[in-house]
Formats: sequence, C-alpha cells, structure tokens
Amino acid sequence: QKEVEQDPGPLSVPEGAIVSLNCTYSNSAFQYFMWYRQYSRKGPELLMYTYSSGNKEDGRFTAQVDKSSKYISLFIRDSQPSDSATYLCAMKAMSYGKLTFGQGTILTVHP
Amino acid sequence: EAGVTQFPSHSVIEKGQTVTLRCDPISGHDNLYWYRRVMGKEIKFLLHFVKESKQDESGMPNNRFLAERTGGTYSTLKVQPAELEDSGVYFCASSQEDTGRVHNYGYTFGSGTRLTVV
Repeated sequence: QKEVEQDPGPLSVPEGAIVSLNCTYSNSAFQYFMWYRQYSRKGPELLMYTYSSGNKEDGRFTAQVDKSSKYISLFIRDSQPSDSATYLCAMKAMSYGKLTFGQGTILTVHP
Repeated sequence: EAGVTQFPSHSVIEKGQTVTLRCDPISGHDNLYWYRRVMGKEIKFLLHFVKESKQDESGMPNNRFLAERTGGTYSTLKVQPAELEDSGVYFCASSQEDTGRVHNYGYTFGSGTRLTVV
C-alpha cells in the first residue's frame, strides 16, 4: 500500500467551477502537508502548506487537513484555464525531512 | 534570486553508459534533495544533503547511483552503468537551514532532467 494515495484523474472542469482535490495517507507521523502545482516540463511549485490539522486560505485556494481521518484537500474557487496543471500533494514528518508525494492529479480547466 | 538549476534538461544514453546530472541549488541553501519520477509513478525521494554531508540516502535505489555535493554547493548524481529502469525525470530541490524559527515547509524545485536509457 502506498503511503499517500491521490486520484490521478484526469479531471476536466469548466472555467469558474470549484475544484476539489484530495489525498489520503497512512503514516500518522506526517505533520507537514503541502500542495504543489506542476506545469508541463517544469518542476513542482509550492502552492500551499499547512502544519498539522486545520484550514488555510490564500486567494482562490483553500487547503484543509484532517489528521484524524488522514485526509487532505485542496479547493480551487473560480477556476481559470491557467490553473490547468498537475496538482501534487506532499507531506513529511519533520520540517527538514523528505517529502512523500501523491501521484498527482491532472487538472484541465476549459474556457 | 536565481532558482534551482539543473542540467542537462534532457539526456538520452544507451544502457550500460554513464550519465552525470548536475544541480545548482539556490545560493545559501544548505539543504539539497534529489527526487525521481518514473513514468506513471509518484515522485520519490532519493537523498538529502545538508551542506556537503549526506543526511538521508534511504531512497537511493542501488549502488549504481552516486551522489556528491562538492563544498556544500552544487551536487551531481551519477548513474553508472545506466539501466533501462533508470529512465525518468530527476528533480533537485533546495531549502534554507531550518533554524526552528524559520521552518522549511516547502522546497524549491528545479525543472528536472529527463533521462532516457535506451
């Protein structure tokens, strides 16, 4: 069983839709949770991070962590075609430690 | 601020040959990480340098892979001899020192080196 499970999609939504991306994990030691966005032929770019449980909002993006359920989410409001990318969840047990990634979800926002 | 630089961006080599990938981290970043994504799989950790020392090399697949970080600056990852299953995208990432007050929640990634072994 993988430590982090993420539905690879692909996910296709119309412009303006609310997008929900999710990951589940099995390692209860994970405390730091991140979402990365990756455009084609580029490296992952940090989008959101959360320490422990709770919500965090940044513009159109909201990250949620539920440690009791071992479940994290990323919501994108008013999605734009420029949001089309692969979204990767990642997590780690220590602040300086290795990241464990999900497989990534391919998102396409069509005009 | 310059980002994390990796080269080459692409490399095609024959099975049995040697390839060396290079990563230049962001200046002043003590932490340097190597990751790899094999087609259809998730990005996986290979190893972590703190300055010139290997902090964690638990993800290195086998002894055909050798990573070095000269003087705590740039790093190289050598694959010798390369096998077909080594094909994938190799990412390097860096972060500043975790002082306890400044937390390294996320790392800055390079664009990767796409390695194809034929």
